[in-house]
Amino acid sequence: ETGVTQSPTHLIKTRGQQVTLRCSSQSGHNTVSWYQQALGQGPQFIFQYYREEENGRGNFPPRFSGLQFPNYSSELNVNALELDDSALYLCASRPQGREHGYTFGSGTRLTVV
Amino acid sequence: SQKIEQNSEALNIQEGKTATLTCNYTNYSPAYLQWYRQDPGRGPVFLLLIRENEKEKRKERLKVTFDTTLKQSLFHITASQPADSATYLCALENTGGFKTIFGAGTRLFVKA
Repeated sequence: ETGVTQSPTHLIKTRGQQVTLRCSSQSGHNTVSWYQQALGQGPQFIFQYYREEENGRGNFPPRFSGLQFPNYSSELNVNALELDDSALYLCASRPQGREHGYTFGSGTRLTVV
Repeated sequence: SQKIEQNSEALNIQEGKTATLTCNYTNYSPAYLQWYRQDPGRGPVFLLLIRENEKEKRKERLKVTFDTTLKQSLFHITASQPADSATYLCALENTGGFKTIFGAGTRLFVKA
Protein backbone atom coordinates (compact mmCIF):
# COMPACT_ATOMS: atom_id res chain seq x y z
CA GLU A 1 0.00 0.00 0.00
CA THR A 2 1.41 3.38 -1.01
CA GLY A 3 -1.03 5.47 1.02
CA VAL A 4 -2.38 8.85 -0.04
CA THR A 5 0.09 11.22 -1.67
CA GLN A 6 -0.49 14.95 -2.01
CA SER A 7 1.42 17.53 -4.01
CA PRO A 8 2.84 20.02 -3.57
CA THR A 9 3.59 19.94 0.16
CA HIS A 10 3.82 23.71 0.43
CA LEU A 11 2.62 26.54 -1.79
CA ILE A 12 2.58 30.33 -1.64
CA LYS A 13 0.11 32.21 -3.85
CA THR A 14 -1.01 35.78 -4.24
CA ARG A 15 -4.56 36.92 -3.53
CA GLY A 16 -6.71 36.62 -6.65
CA GLN A 17 -4.66 33.82 -8.19
CA GLN A 18 -5.84 30.29 -8.90
CA VAL A 19 -4.35 27.10 -7.46
CA THR A 20 -4.57 23.36 -8.20
CA LEU A 21 -3.76 20.79 -5.55
CA ARG A 22 -3.28 17.13 -6.42
CA CYS A 23 -3.98 13.88 -4.65
CA SER A 24 -3.10 10.33 -5.49
CA SER A 25 -5.43 8.08 -3.53
CA GLN A 26 -4.49 4.76 -2.02
CA SER A 27 -4.70 1.81 -4.39
CA GLY A 28 -8.21 0.34 -4.51
CA HIS A 29 -9.84 3.43 -2.98
CA ASN A 30 -12.61 4.89 -5.16
CA THR A 31 -13.89 7.57 -2.78
CA VAL A 32 -11.94 10.77 -2.24
CA SER A 33 -12.75 13.66 0.10
CA TRP A 34 -11.07 17.03 0.47
CA TYR A 35 -10.81 18.99 3.70
CA GLN A 36 -9.54 22.42 4.72
CA GLN A 37 -7.87 22.66 8.13
CA ALA A 38 -7.02 25.99 9.70
CA LEU A 39 -4.49 26.12 12.49
CA GLY A 40 -5.94 24.74 15.73
CA GLN A 41 -9.19 23.69 14.07
CA GLY A 42 -10.63 20.42 12.89
CA PRO A 43 -10.78 19.53 9.18
CA GLN A 44 -13.68 21.24 7.38
CA PHE A 45 -15.38 19.14 4.70
CA ILE A 46 -15.12 20.67 1.21
CA PHE A 47 -16.49 17.91 -1.02
CA GLN A 48 -16.39 14.22 -1.82
CA TYR A 49 -15.98 12.33 -5.11
CA TYR A 50 -17.11 8.80 -5.82
CA ARG A 51 -16.33 7.20 -9.16
CA GLU A 52 -15.54 10.57 -10.78
CA GLU A 53 -18.76 12.27 -9.61
CA GLU A 54 -19.12 14.81 -6.80
CA ASN A 55 -21.62 13.24 -4.38
CA GLY A 56 -21.31 15.50 -1.35
CA ARG A 57 -20.36 19.11 -0.65
CA GLY A 58 -19.76 21.22 2.43
CA ASN A 59 -20.32 24.95 2.92
CA PHE A 60 -17.71 26.17 0.50
CA PRO A 61 -18.33 28.62 -2.38
CA PRO A 62 -18.29 27.51 -6.03
CA ARG A 63 -14.78 28.84 -6.51
CA PHE A 64 -13.74 25.60 -4.78
CA SER A 65 -14.07 22.88 -7.39
CA GLY A 66 -12.64 19.46 -7.99
CA LEU A 67 -12.13 16.54 -10.27
CA GLN A 68 -11.66 12.82 -9.88
CA PHE A 69 -9.97 10.86 -12.64
CA PRO A 70 -10.56 7.26 -13.83
CA ASN A 71 -7.58 6.10 -11.75
CA TYR A 72 -9.32 7.74 -8.74
CA SER A 73 -6.67 10.42 -8.31
CA SER A 74 -8.13 13.84 -7.65
CA GLU A 75 -7.60 17.59 -7.92
CA LEU A 76 -8.82 20.50 -5.85
CA ASN A 77 -9.01 23.84 -7.67
CA VAL A 78 -9.49 27.14 -5.94
CA ASN A 79 -10.11 30.30 -7.97
CA ALA A 80 -9.81 33.92 -6.91
CA LEU A 81 -7.77 33.10 -3.82
CA GLU A 82 -8.49 35.03 -0.64
CA LEU A 83 -6.25 35.49 2.39
CA ASP A 84 -8.63 33.30 4.44
CA ASP A 85 -7.95 30.39 2.09
CA SER A 86 -4.57 29.98 3.80
CA ALA A 87 -4.76 26.56 5.46
CA LEU A 88 -3.70 22.93 5.32
CA TYR A 89 -5.63 21.11 2.57
CA LEU A 90 -6.09 17.42 3.24
CA CYS A 91 -7.08 14.70 0.83
CA ALA A 92 -8.57 11.46 2.17
CA SER A 93 -9.57 8.27 0.42
CA ARG A 94 -11.32 5.05 1.31
CA PRO A 95 -12.49 1.90 -0.45
CA GLN A 96 -16.08 1.26 -1.40
CA GLY A 97 -18.22 0.44 1.59
CA ARG A 98 -18.85 2.56 4.62
CA GLU A 99 -17.31 0.32 7.22
CA HIS A 100 -13.94 1.87 6.49
CA GLY A 101 -12.29 4.93 7.86
CA TYR A 102 -10.45 7.38 5.65
CA THR A 103 -6.76 7.29 4.84
CA PHE A 104 -5.40 10.84 4.82
CA GLY A 105 -2.46 12.35 3.04
CA SER A 106 -0.06 14.68 4.84
CA GLY A 107 -1.66 17.69 3.19
CA THR A 108 -0.68 20.75 1.20
CA ARG A 109 0.09 23.88 3.21
CA LEU A 110 -1.28 26.82 1.19
CA THR A 111 -0.33 30.37 2.11
CA VAL A 112 -2.10 33.25 0.37
CA VAL A 113 -0.35 36.61 0.59
CA SER B 1 -26.86 23.86 12.31
CA GLN B 2 -24.87 20.65 12.72
CA LYS B 3 -22.32 20.89 15.46
CA ILE B 4 -19.68 18.60 16.96
CA GLU B 5 -18.16 19.55 20.30
CA GLN B 6 -14.99 18.12 21.78
CA ASN B 7 -13.16 19.19 24.95
CA SER B 8 -11.52 22.42 23.88
CA GLU B 9 -9.04 22.32 26.74
CA ALA B 10 -6.07 20.00 26.57
CA LEU B 11 -6.21 16.85 28.66
CA ASN B 12 -3.14 16.14 30.81
CA ILE B 13 -2.80 12.71 32.40
CA GLN B 14 -0.12 10.56 33.98
CA GLU B 15 1.34 7.60 32.19
CA GLY B 16 -0.53 4.38 32.96
CA LYS B 17 -3.85 6.12 33.63
CA THR B 18 -6.95 5.94 31.41
CA ALA B 19 -7.62 8.93 29.17
CA THR B 20 -11.26 9.67 28.41
CA LEU B 21 -12.20 12.07 25.62
CA THR B 22 -15.71 13.28 24.89
CA CYS B 23 -17.51 14.02 21.63
CA ASN B 24 -20.99 15.58 21.68
CA TYR B 25 -23.06 16.45 18.64
CA THR B 26 -26.27 18.31 17.84
CA ASN B 27 -28.63 18.53 14.88
CA TYR B 28 -27.17 15.40 13.34
CA SER B 29 -28.15 11.75 12.99
CA PRO B 30 -24.91 10.01 12.08
CA ALA B 31 -24.87 6.51 10.73
CA TYR B 32 -21.22 6.08 11.71
CA LEU B 33 -18.90 7.72 14.19
CA GLN B 34 -15.14 7.62 13.76
CA TRP B 35 -12.12 8.57 15.85
CA TYR B 36 -8.82 9.74 14.42
CA ARG B 37 -5.44 10.69 15.81
CA GLN B 38 -3.53 13.65 14.41
CA ASP B 39 0.08 14.56 15.11
CA PRO B 40 1.43 18.07 14.38
CA GLY B 41 2.00 18.68 10.67
CA ARG B 42 0.49 15.34 9.67
CA GLY B 43 -2.86 14.15 8.34
CA PRO B 44 -5.30 12.38 10.67
CA VAL B 45 -4.90 8.64 11.17
CA PHE B 46 -8.01 6.46 11.43
CA LEU B 47 -8.38 4.58 14.74
CA LEU B 48 -11.89 3.21 15.19
CA LEU B 49 -15.35 3.25 13.63
CA ILE B 50 -18.62 2.51 15.41
CA ARG B 51 -22.08 2.16 13.86
CA GLU B 52 -25.21 3.87 15.18
CA ASN B 53 -26.64 0.55 16.37
CA GLU B 54 -23.49 -0.39 18.32
CA LYS B 55 -22.94 0.66 21.91
CA GLU B 56 -19.25 -0.12 22.28
CA LYS B 57 -16.20 -1.04 20.22
CA ARG B 58 -12.74 -2.07 21.36
CA LYS B 59 -9.35 -2.31 19.70
CA GLU B 60 -6.32 -3.14 21.80
CA ARG B 61 -6.05 -0.32 24.41
CA LEU B 62 -8.79 1.74 22.76
CA LYS B 63 -12.50 1.71 23.57
CA VAL B 64 -15.27 3.77 22.01
CA THR B 65 -18.85 4.10 23.23
CA PHE B 66 -21.70 5.61 21.23
CA ASP B 67 -24.95 6.81 22.80
CA THR B 68 -27.34 8.10 20.13
CA THR B 69 -29.87 9.14 22.79
CA LEU B 70 -27.37 11.38 24.56
CA LYS B 71 -25.77 12.24 21.20
CA GLN B 72 -22.39 11.48 22.70
CA SER B 73 -19.35 9.30 22.17
CA LEU B 74 -16.61 8.58 24.69
CA PHE B 75 -13.12 7.54 23.61
CA HIS B 76 -10.93 5.76 26.15
CA ILE B 77 -7.22 4.97 26.03
CA THR B 78 -6.25 2.58 28.80
CA ALA B 79 -2.72 2.23 30.18
CA SER B 80 -1.81 5.47 28.42
CA GLN B 81 1.75 6.08 27.25
CA PRO B 82 3.65 9.28 26.35
CA ALA B 83 3.49 8.10 22.71
CA ASP B 84 -0.30 8.51 22.90
CA SER B 85 0.17 12.29 23.14
CA ALA B 86 -1.58 13.78 20.11
CA THR B 87 -4.81 15.48 19.03
CA TYR B 88 -7.81 13.18 18.83
CA LEU B 89 -10.60 13.99 16.38
CA CYS B 90 -14.17 12.78 16.38
CA ALA B 91 -15.92 12.48 13.00
CA LEU B 92 -19.53 11.80 12.05
CA GLU B 93 -20.70 10.34 8.76
CA ASN B 94 -24.23 10.95 7.57
CA THR B 95 -26.69 8.27 6.54
CA GLY B 96 -26.08 8.78 2.84
CA GLY B 97 -22.35 8.27 3.23
CA PHE B 98 -21.44 11.34 1.26
CA LYS B 99 -20.37 13.68 4.04
CA THR B 100 -18.11 13.18 7.05
CA ILE B 101 -17.66 16.13 9.40
CA PHE B 102 -15.01 16.54 12.09
CA GLY B 103 -14.84 18.12 15.50
CA ALA B 104 -12.07 20.51 16.43
CA GLY B 105 -10.23 17.80 18.36
CA THR B 106 -8.89 17.40 21.88
CA ARG B 107 -5.19 17.67 22.62
CA LEU B 108 -3.95 14.87 24.90
CA PHE B 109 -0.68 15.04 26.82
CA VAL B 110 0.54 11.92 28.63
CA LYS B 111 3.33 12.59 31.12
CA ALA B 112 5.93 9.97 32.00
